[in-house]
Amino acid sequence: EPEVTQTPSHQVTQMGQEVILRCVPISNHLYFYWYRQILGQKVEFLVSFYNNEISEKSEIFDDQFSVERPDGSNFTLKIRSTKLEDSAMYFCASGQGISPLHFGNGTRLTVT
Amino acid sequence: EDKVVQSPLSLVVHEGDTVTLNCSYEVTNFRSLLWYKQEKKAPTFLFMLTSSGIEKKSGRLSSILDKKELFSILNITATQTGDSAVYLCAVEESSGTYKYIFGTGTRLKVLA
Repeated sequence: EPEVTQTPSHQVTQMGQEVILRCVPISNHLYFYWYRQILGQKVEFLVSFYNNEISEKSEIFDDQFSVERPDGSNFTLKIRSTKLEDSAMYFCASGQGISPLHFGNGTRLTVT
Repeated sequence: EDKVVQSPLSLVVHEGDTVTLNCSYEVTNFRSLLWYKQEKKAPTFLFMLTSSGIEKKSGRLSSILDKKELFSILNITATQTGDSAVYLCAVEESSGTYKYIFGTGTRLKVLA
């Protein structure tokens, strides 16, 4: 069964550094999402992406964050100048415009 | 503000017990309600509910939606240790981009 793949599974970075989280959505999906889950808290929507542009973003998704689909397969989340509070599990998800969304295994980001 | 509330937050049962997990919601542009199971990593899809009163069933799991009272329940009968996980309720809202609003989850632990 096709799946969403995310790399790396765990990323450790120092405060102030930039990180890029990578995702390969399911190949025939057109809608892409990033969600995050801070340890012990609920899964939160960050951003949705369709037709090579952001469809919607949450309040969390400020200028520190950006997304890109650099080629036909990858979907990336860039976090500039990371802060301690960015430490979380980041999930990529993809869909066809109808539910359900399919989630990747996540990237655990630890900012030290 | 849109919100999804799950109860209980955690539950410990013994193998063979039946459990009922609850999800209530207040979401302006409701499209569907989904249940996911989250073990260590990616939430994996269980059910999607769009219509009131129609039970969805898969093996020992079943779920139903009440759109008048704005809640859903997930039932697990004859629980097994492999059912231990966090069960997430998400409501898909359709104001723009079909994003999900998640509850905090119910952590279920099934003891042998």
